[in-house]
Amino acid sequence: EVKLLESGGGLVQPGGSLRLSCAASGFTFTDFYMSWIRQPPGKAPEWLGVIRNKANGYTTEYNPSVKGRFTISRDNTQNILYLQMNTLRAEDTAIYYCARGRWDFDYWGQGVMVTVSS
Amino acid sequence: DIVMTQGVLPNPVPSGESASITCRSSKSLVYKDGKTYLNWFLQRPGQSPQLLTYWMSTRASGVSDRFSGSGSGTYFTLKISRVRAEDAGVYYCQQVREYPLTFGSGTKLEIK
Repeated sequence: EVKLLESGGGLVQPGGSLRLSCAASGFTFTDFYMSWIRQPPGKAPEWLGVIRNKANGYTTEYNPSVKGRFTISRDNTQNILYLQMNTLRAEDTAIYYCARGRWDFDYWGQGVMVTVSS
Repeated sequence: DIVMTQGVLPNPVPSGESASITCRSSKSLVYKDGKTYLNWFLQRPGQSPQLLTYWMSTRASGVSDRFSGSGSGTYFTLKISRVRAEDAGVYYCQQVREYPLTFGSGTKLEIK
């Protein structure tokens, strides 16, 4: 059974940093592109970025809205996806999801809440 | 960025009736391989989005055949036949034709 489990969320002050993790199981992690997507309360999802699979060199793409502040990486020995978030702003407050897939985001985690506030 | 614009449903929709949700993209989502890179998701309250269709009209695994996607390069429709209470939620279209991937603002479906 495919499972994605995010962790690492919480309350952080503006200007602070946070690293989210997404533990994957039930599939061959290295075969898949993995994305981070966030959703502010009551709003539509926003795609943040992707890290490609082994066949495509684990390269990354980012939404310009977070490029330079957010970094996606993966630990392919432990099957964990990461999102490093720096210089956080109030508008980064959202539920953060990891999702599997290149075009078809067929599995999502349950999400983790990040609140940026003083 | 490709802008995705979704329509509004005349809610609530009576149980057993059909509902059609529309989505328009600011650029064609047809790639050189001939596929149309458009996804539909349903997000029920308190849950993560669930993939319904990809490549515009291919149903995801386990999705009821009451859900059908169609369209052209820039105009898309998700039709839900014989709506049920479990179909209630917010529907999102998403383009996966080019980065950054973008979502529509959502269409709420309420069932009567």
